Amino acid sequence: NAGVTQTPKFRILKIGQSMTLQCTQDMNHNYMYWYRQDPGMGLKLIYYSVGAGITDKGEVPNGYNVSRSTTEDFPLRLELAAPSQTSVYFCASRTGTAGSGANVLTFGAGSRLTVL
Amino acid sequence: QKEVEQDPGPLSVPEGAIVSLNCTYSNSAFQYFMWYRQYSRKGPELLMYTYSSGNKEDGRFTAQVDKSSKYISLFIRDSQPSDSATYLCAMLSNQGGKLIFGQGTELSVKP
Repeated sequence: NAGVTQTPKFRILKIGQSMTLQCTQDMNHNYMYWYRQDPGMGLKLIYYSVGAGITDKGEVPNGYNVSRSTTEDFPLRLELAAPSQTSVYFCASRTGTAGSGANVLTFGAGSRLTVL
Repeated sequence: QKEVEQDPGPLSVPEGAIVSLNCTYSNSAFQYFMWYRQYSRKGPELLMYTYSSGNKEDGRFTAQVDKSSKYISLFIRDSQPSDSATYLCAMLSNQGGKLIFGQGTELSVKP
C-alpha cells in the first residue's frame, strides 16, 4: 500500500515551458487535492476533485489545469510556466466516506518545482 | 477577505510554556476543523481533528472550536523543543469538499 505517490520530486523548468505533476493514490479515495506551498507560507488550494470526472477550482487556480479520468490519478498541468509558480506542490487525498478517518488527508511527499 | 486567517508568527517560547495558536474563518460552511504540524522540508501531519464546538484533548494538546465566533485554537501544554514546527489550521466545508489551510504559525520552543 503506497498511499499517495507524487512524481517528480524535483524539477527545474524554463519560463514558458509546460509540464505535468503526477499524483496517484491506491487507497480508493474519492477526494483528491493539489496544494502549493511557498517558503514560510501555508498551503494554498489549487484544484480539488470529489470523484472521477469532477474537478473544481480552489484558491489559486490560474496557470494550472487538472483532470480526473480515474479514481487513482489526479495530474496537475502547468502551462507556460512562470517564476511565480516556483513552489513546493503537495497532492493529498481522503476517503470522504462515513467513518472516523473520512476527512483525514493523506499527503504525498511533495514536488519541488523551480521556474527560471 | 481570506476564508481562513492565521497569524503567521513566528512565535518563540521557552521550554515548558503554554502555547496558544489561533485561526479565524469566515465561511459558515466549514464544519470540520483540523490542526496539522509540519517540520521543515516535510509534508504536513495531522495533529488534531474536531467536528463540534467545544474542546478535544490529546495528551499535551487541546483543540478548541467556537463555531459561533468562527474561531479555533490549539493549546500546547508543557511545550518541548521537539514541538518546534509550523502549525497549520485546516477547515473542511460540508458543501463540495473544499479543504482550506491557514497560513501556518512557525513555533520555536527554546530549551
